[in-house]
Amino acid sequence: KAGVTQTPRYLIKTRGQQVTLSCSPISGHRSVSWYQQTPGQGLQFLFEYFSETQRNKGNFPGRFSGRQFSNSRSEMNVSTLELGDSALYLCASSFTEIGEQYFGPGTRLTVT
Amino acid sequence: AQKVTQAQTEISVVEKEDVTLDCVYETRDTTYYLFWYKQPPSGELVFLIRRNSFDEQNEISGRYSWNFQKSTSSFNFTITASQVVDSAVYFCALSEAVQGAQKLVFGQGTRLTINP
Repeated sequence: KAGVTQTPRYLIKTRGQQVTLSCSPISGHRSVSWYQQTPGQGLQFLFEYFSETQRNKGNFPGRFSGRQFSNSRSEMNVSTLELGDSALYLCASSFTEIGEQYFGPGTRLTVT
Repeated sequence: AQKVTQAQTEISVVEKEDVTLDCVYETRDTTYYLFWYKQPPSGELVFLIRRNSFDEQNEISGRYSWNFQKSTSSFNFTITASQVVDSAVYFCALSEAVQGAQKLVFGQGTRLTINP
């Protein structure tokens, strides 16, 4: 069974631009969560989607948004990029809303 | 509030030594889940274990073992006879049923280096 896949793996953007990251969960998994990892703040929860509904959201500004499609694939969008948004963005999927999460390889975003 | 503390920022041992990674958590919920993940240099978080708050039984998986003690709010991880391939950053995490079981709160991680 294929694992969680994330595209693109690396991305360089300029301040003020917007970016969309994609996550394909493990087949059959319906819950997708997103996390941001930075050297200063560590791993922080962004949001979780289950059956196309956002069930939970972390403490991030409204510039961070996401969605989930009917095939459970998920996208997250960051608008008006800031230098501090440079991070590794990790996606995780779970079979149920209480199951253990399996992570993808991440998308490394650099904002210049 | 939820909080996970991994007091050991870095640990360095020689191959074949046993090593224990500490994890202390804070929660007000009675139903919660504890996790350990491994992050090798590639960046992907590898799931190691999940424990729920009602299951204090210790677990052993090969060279890995976990000690869950509610009385001290700790969930420690021991690697026996460490190997170079165990070198990675290890994260302990907590989620609460009330806050959402998928919302993981991570500790700051422990960087483990196994020297040959």
